[in-house]
Amino acid sequence: KQEVTQIPAALSVPEGENLVLNCSFTDSAIYNLQWFRQDPGKGLTSLLLIQSSQREQTSGRLNASLDKSSGRSTLYIAASQPGDSATYLCAVTRDYGNNRLAFGKGNQVVVIP
Amino acid sequence: DVKVTQSSRYLVKRTGEKVFLECVQDMDHENMFWYRQDPGLGLRLIYFSYDVKMKEKGDIPEGYSVSREKKERFSLILESASTNQTSMYLCASSPTGTGGFATNEKLFFGSGTQLSVL
Repeated sequence: KQEVTQIPAALSVPEGENLVLNCSFTDSAIYNLQWFRQDPGKGLTSLLLIQSSQREQTSGRLNASLDKSSGRSTLYIAASQPGDSATYLCAVTRDYGNNRLAFGKGNQVVVIP
Repeated sequence: DVKVTQSSRYLVKRTGEKVFLECVQDMDHENMFWYRQDPGLGLRLIYFSYDVKMKEKGDIPEGYSVSREKKERFSLILESASTNQTSMYLCASSPTGTGGFATNEKLFFGSGTQLSVL
């Protein structure tokens, strides 16, 4: 069974610092990994999707890397801003060819002005 | 941009009531999902539909049913609401990607329905 872990559950950083969020998963046989953002009381917004054949994806200040063999992904947010305060979740395909995602419980981020 | 619309932002229902949660997407996606999100438990898949009139049970289907009569609409039904079904309900959709699997593509979520069962 695929298990996805995000540690720490919550963190605070001063504005302008770079954010590094980690996601680990137990089964390396995945199709892809997605990072999502969730604002309080709202739905999820997909930020980046990394296919299993890729090593990283970039969008603006966001960069996500994937190391399948070690079961790890890192979301890097450059020069954090107060507007980056949110919960960030990662999700992987549960197993090969499966339509179901396994979600981590998220990193709750506060960027302090 | 893809839009996934959930009909209610907040709902308050009584124990034993039949509850309908509606979800509509405007991007002709084949796949639609219902999740519930609870503190400490994360997101759990209730049901999944990969085509009109097709459905597949998720991890926690007990006490729920679904209906997909049209491609753009996916309804979640609580047959007899109970207090342990108080939760945030999230609908999502995605196109079918390479290899025919929904999870090869990004998921697009609605804003969620916070359901309270009293």
